[in-house]
Amino acid sequence: EIVLTQSPGTLSLSPGERATLSCRASQSVSSSYLAWYQQKPGQAPRLLIYGASRMATGIPDRFSGSGSGTDFTLTISRLEPEDFAVYYCQQYGSSLWTFGQGTKVEIK
Amino acid sequence: EVQLVESGGGLVQPGGSLRLSCAASGFTFSSYWMHWVRQAPGKGLMWVSHINGDGSSSSFADSVKGRFTISRDNAKNTLYLQMDSLRVEDTAVYYCARFGSFYSFDCWGQGTLVTVSS
Repeated sequence: EIVLTQSPGTLSLSPGERATLSCRASQSVSSSYLAWYQQKPGQAPRLLIYGASRMATGIPDRFSGSGSGTDFTLTISRLEPEDFAVYYCQQYGSSLWTFGQGTKVEIK
Repeated sequence: EVQLVESGGGLVQPGGSLRLSCAASGFTFSSYWMHWVRQAPGKGLMWVSHINGDGSSSSFADSVKGRFTISRDNAKNTLYLQMDSLRVEDTAVYYCARFGSFYSFDCWGQGTLVTVSS
């Protein structure tokens, strides 16, 4: 089973700042099968990025994804108040889907 | 509008059973693989199970294999999760999710809470 490790656990930033979230896999992941989600308190997750760098429908272009192999990154170019939330990466491999433990982006 | 609505959660004793449902609308249900994903209180997301479009193939996380069964009724646009031999550690919000492009989950329900406690 591929384990995804996200860092940092918590990111404290101010609105307008740039956020860089990391997702590292225990073994190589096909870029096609790496996704990112946003989850706000009391809400279901929302798909942001799929295929490592493809934006889901309706997602603002301040969100972007990159990476390959074992290292992937979610970048939020300029944080808006509604972006403070928990972010999860997710991969598919060997008939299993796994998630990272999440990164909380909080207001500094 | 694509919509997924879960139901069937509640309080159950360890060793008990529960059946969750997920009613789908706004898309051709039979054309999509569907999944269950759970989230223990204050914890992260964990994939539970998947089923293909016609219900002929499924898979499960090791922690629920042999205890949970996934099924679907395409005539009723409904996904099910039968949970038997429930354990305290199965306590979580259970989400149904639609299988999207590139093996992602592109639409989620609001979740239903399952509490396993004596």
